[in-house]
Amino acid sequence: NAGVTQTPKFRILKIGQSMTLQCTQDMNHNYMYWYRQDPGMGLKLIYYSVGAGITDKGEVPNGYNVSRSTTEDFPLRLELAAPSQTSVYFCASSTPGVVLGPGYTFGSGTRLTVV
Amino acid sequence: AQTVTQSQPEMSVQEAETVTLSCTYDTSENNYYLFWYKQPPSRQMILVIRQEAYKQQNATENRFSVNFQKAAKSFSLKISDSQLGDTAMYFCAPGFDRGSTLGRLYFGRGTQLTVWP
Repeated sequence: NAGVTQTPKFRILKIGQSMTLQCTQDMNHNYMYWYRQDPGMGLKLIYYSVGAGITDKGEVPNGYNVSRSTTEDFPLRLELAAPSQTSVYFCASSTPGVVLGPGYTFGSGTRLTVV
Repeated sequence: AQTVTQSQPEMSVQEAETVTLSCTYDTSENNYYLFWYKQPPSRQMILVIRQEAYKQQNATENRFSVNFQKAAKSFSLKISDSQLGDTAMYFCAPGFDRGSTLGRLYFGRGTQLTVWP
């Protein structure tokens, strides 16, 4: 019962470094999302995808890039990491059709610290 | 843009008591869904309860129930017989399935609930 798998769970980056947060799901969900959660704040949408080859910006896309070459995978790329990107990152997926019926399935999150 | 307001940053309740968390939102949509998610210290996001906006009957899930007032755009969560394991951050999240907001959930800032013995 894998659901949505995120790796890594924790990471410390130095300013200016780059990294990719991995997200994969095994439920054949068309819709996938990346959110960030800052302390005391709700989740803000970074990017989302409604299917392989289709991605779009959310509320806070600056400093990030995504790709969706397969239904299963939706990696998030951080280029030139900045302290403002210190956050907890969540990947999520949902079913097409009755899109929001069961809500999202979330990954367990990645805590990223940029120093 | 859809806005979500959770006006109680923190709440506490004694074990076995009842507590209500409030949530209001702003939308021009008529059909949508509403969710409450729980985030314990483990960080995992866990679905607590959901409500379809077209249904007048309030959703209930064991000790959790909602009071949905569509005209007032209010969606509160009531937790009965609170348990220590209910200690968590709770997020209200309306979601939409049409147009530019397709498939998106909008999250409030959360309410930190502490249940004490």
